[in-house]
Amino acid sequence: GQQLNQSPQSMFIQEGEDVSMNCTSSSIFNTWLWYKQDPGEGPVLLIALYKAGELTSNGRLTAQFGITRKDSFLNISASIPSDVGIYFCAGRIQGAQKLVFGQGTRLTINP
Amino acid sequence: DAGITQSPRHKVTETGTPVTLRCHQTENHRYMYWYRQDPGHGLRLIHYSYGVKDTDKGEVSDGYSVSRSKTEDFLLTLESATSSQTSVYFCAISESKGRGTGELFFGEGSRLTVL
Repeated sequence: GQQLNQSPQSMFIQEGEDVSMNCTSSSIFNTWLWYKQDPGEGPVLLIALYKAGELTSNGRLTAQFGITRKDSFLNISASIPSDVGIYFCAGRIQGAQKLVFGQGTRLTINP
Repeated sequence: DAGITQSPRHKVTETGTPVTLRCHQTENHRYMYWYRQDPGHGLRLIHYSYGVKDTDKGEVSDGYSVSRSKTEDFLLTLESATSSQTSVYFCAISESKGRGTGELFFGEGSRLTVL
């Protein structure tokens, strides 16, 4: 089935560093969502994007809906230990009903 | 708290036995979903519902059936569990925005082990 290419698959950073991750596809999307999942929990919605070029922030997190409508980016500034987890992108292809998910980026932070 | 409760949260069963997972929502949302999450595969859609008694298949529906007899409950049944169905199962809900699904909100997951 349709998949999103999410990268990187994992990141090992120092506390205080900035983080960038992205999702790309060959299809055009009209919705992008970013989720975070902590161990043993369900994914929690961080940011939702609905328009090409849209840039939205949630605290230290900033996400953008790519202008080509085929990609999205998530940035985390000044990382802290509680940012550890798996981050997923999800998108809805134009004309489709269901969401497709990226395979996740596992973030590890060294104090 | 998205008002979603999954039960059971953990279950160990044997191959060939039937298993039912329950998802209960208090948000009165129209759409409900069952996903499974496995290493290397991310979240994959099993079945979803767009209203009472209205369901459709997802990308990995073989071996699973669902029922939705009332808005708040969505049941996932494995008629005869197999080891390949060992996974973490997530229920999600959404209210439609425009023509399609809006933001999905997930439950805490049900970990199923089939021996």
